[in-house]
Amino acid sequence: GAVVSQHPSRVICKSGTSVKIECRSLDFQATTMFWYRQFPKKSLMLMATSNEGSKATYEQGVEKDKFLINHASLTLSTLTVTSAHPEDSSFYICSVISYVGTAKNIQYFGAGTRLSVL
Amino acid sequence: AQTVTQSQPEMSVQEAETVTLSCTYDTSESDYYLFWYKQPPSRQMILVIRQEAYKQQNATENRFSVNFQKAAKSFSLKISDSQLGDAAMYFCACGGSQGNLIFGKGTKLSVKP
Repeated sequence: GAVVSQHPSRVICKSGTSVKIECRSLDFQATTMFWYRQFPKKSLMLMATSNEGSKATYEQGVEKDKFLINHASLTLSTLTVTSAHPEDSSFYICSVISYVGTAKNIQYFGAGTRLSVL
Repeated sequence: AQTVTQSQPEMSVQEAETVTLSCTYDTSESDYYLFWYKQPPSRQMILVIRQEAYKQQNATENRFSVNFQKAAKSFSLKISDSQLGDAAMYFCACGGSQGNLIFGKGTKLSVKP
């Protein structure tokens, strides 16, 4: 399967600051990446679909001005949490998807980023 | 719209025994995929098995197999010869043609030595 690198693995920031999380596809060109949020002991909730070279598609209830997504290349998507507040503390996970071959429609996940806002 | 339901919040199995995790789903798409992902304490999501809905044959991956009942919209996971390393959260997921996944709430599997 695809190798996905997500950085940083953990970040602690002060309320009001912005945090950038990177998601890199290391071994294939990802036209589409996904960003999820996971609360403790809960399931993954899709936040947005990141498309290379175009605007991200956000799920209902997700503030696009709060969670900025940039997918400027086929190997990198970034999620920036702007003006972070304690309620933004969560586990954020990215994934890449293959649309071809035997791995069609399989999502491969990064290791996640634990964000703590003080 | 898609929904995925996992009715077992927690399950327990003795090492070397077999356990079955349940999952039901609903989707309006005719072309869809079903997945089981494993999330160990490290929180890294790991693909366990995938089923293409148009295939009647149940998918298998070594000790993992599924019972896919399309008419009943059921997609259970059977783990044979359970090992301590199988202990994790297991998420059932349904994906459409665009690839977006809807996850169930998960089942926490404990393996007793």
